[in-house]
Amino acid sequence: DQQVKQNSPSLSVQEGRISILNCDYTNSMFDYFLWYKKYPAEGPTFLISISSIKDKNEDGRFTVFLNKSAKHLSLHIVPSQPGDSAVYFCAARATNFGNEKLTFGTGTRLTIIP
Amino acid sequence: NAGVTQTPKFRVLKTGQSMTLLCAQDMNHEYMYWYRQDPGMGLRLIHYSVGEGTTAKGEVPDGYNVSRLKKQNFLLGLESAAPSQTSVYFCASRGVTASKEDTQYFGPGTRLTVL
Repeated sequence: DQQVKQNSPSLSVQEGRISILNCDYTNSMFDYFLWYKKYPAEGPTFLISISSIKDKNEDGRFTVFLNKSAKHLSLHIVPSQPGDSAVYFCAARATNFGNEKLTFGTGTRLTIIP
Repeated sequence: NAGVTQTPKFRVLKTGQSMTLLCAQDMNHEYMYWYRQDPGMGLRLIHYSVGEGTTAKGEVPDGYNVSRLKKQNFLLGLESAAPSQTSVYFCASRGVTASKEDTQYFGPGTRLTVL
């Protein structure tokens, strides 16, 4: 049972345009969400996060939106740059239940076309 | 400050062989994790530890054992390797603070092939 789903395995975006990566979750106990970025042959690195008490969090070119009623979050990257080409994982945590664990999605491979 | 390191980076085993993957962190983190990454499956939690001397099962623990004898080290063992354990293994660690913004820091991964 996949509790965190990334339904798009891959996405290609022109350099300079907006990249939108989507993530859906089923567990209503999740209250903290993170995005990780992974380059080939490296471990994932933390990118941005959002608490369930917010609906938006921004950090430079990266913005994460959370729609709790739809159990959906999205990562916006604008403008997209070649260095953004990577696999992006969405992850979720239930702070009061198993706080120590993250549940990851299957990842979306983003390719930025120069 | 090396962060999270993993040894070895690559390994090829024959079915039935055993091996131990070592994870070390120098950030004095309480929590440590072992994940496997397979195509189309994302990152799946194998085992984790919330402190020295403790271990717990994750999502896919079968065929693996772990030990956390020292706070900075987390070992993942395969007693009798199977081809289904061919994967990329990632170790991660996380500190414990009052903030729930704590994130996990990952090592570079170990690519294991079981023939």
